[in-house]
Amino acid sequence: AQSVTQLDSQVPVFEEAPVELRCNYSSSVSVYLFWYVQYPNQGLQLLLKYLSGSTLVKGINGFEAEFNKSQTSFHLRKPSVHISDTAEYFCAVSGRGGADGLTFGKGTHLIIQP
Amino acid sequence: KAGVTQTPRYLIKTRGQQVTLSCSPISGHRSVSWYQQTPGQGLQFLFEYFSETQRNKGNFPGRFSGRQFSNSRSEMNVSTLELGDSALYLCASKGVSSYNSPLHFGNGTRLTVT
Repeated sequence: AQSVTQLDSQVPVFEEAPVELRCNYSSSVSVYLFWYVQYPNQGLQLLLKYLSGSTLVKGINGFEAEFNKSQTSFHLRKPSVHISDTAEYFCAVSGRGGADGLTFGKGTHLIIQP
Repeated sequence: KAGVTQTPRYLIKTRGQQVTLSCSPISGHRSVSWYQQTPGQGLQFLFEYFSETQRNKGNFPGRFSGRQFSNSRSEMNVSTLELGDSALYLCASKGVSSYNSPLHFGNGTRLTVT
């Protein structure tokens, strides 16, 4: 089984400032890692995913994440945020056997202040 | 290409009743998964169907059931509703059966049990 911990439930950031949303996972097997975003009253949209290979993964809307196996982390970053980035962000993990579906973290609410 | 469609968007039911939620995946997608989202528990995996067969199941009581039809449309049923079943129910589809394929989510059905 896997678990995901998103260390911050809420992150306030000023517009055009950089941001990092933290995610740690635990698993007894190799995993696939994902970041999803949820805007109000909508479903989840995939931002990026790590399957294998390069540990720096680039996604949509200028986001990127770095997989760190030794620290079991997959932190999400953006160099300059916009008001439109205000949303809930979810880190998720899937075991390579896939039997348990995706395991999500509790989410981080990114609040962009003008 | 049309996205994942969930109906209805909102539903109010009384404790003890049963409810059926519907999900139409993206055309050509054969895998459909269901997730429950609540403020307290976050996103939790219910089950996954592929080619009309339940492939994976989360840790939910037997009151929660689902099925998938030959056109890949899926329904989820909850019997003997409890207040704690109030949640946003999200359906997601993916195009191939591999566990690293990204999920495409619908906007959800918000169920309120009174």
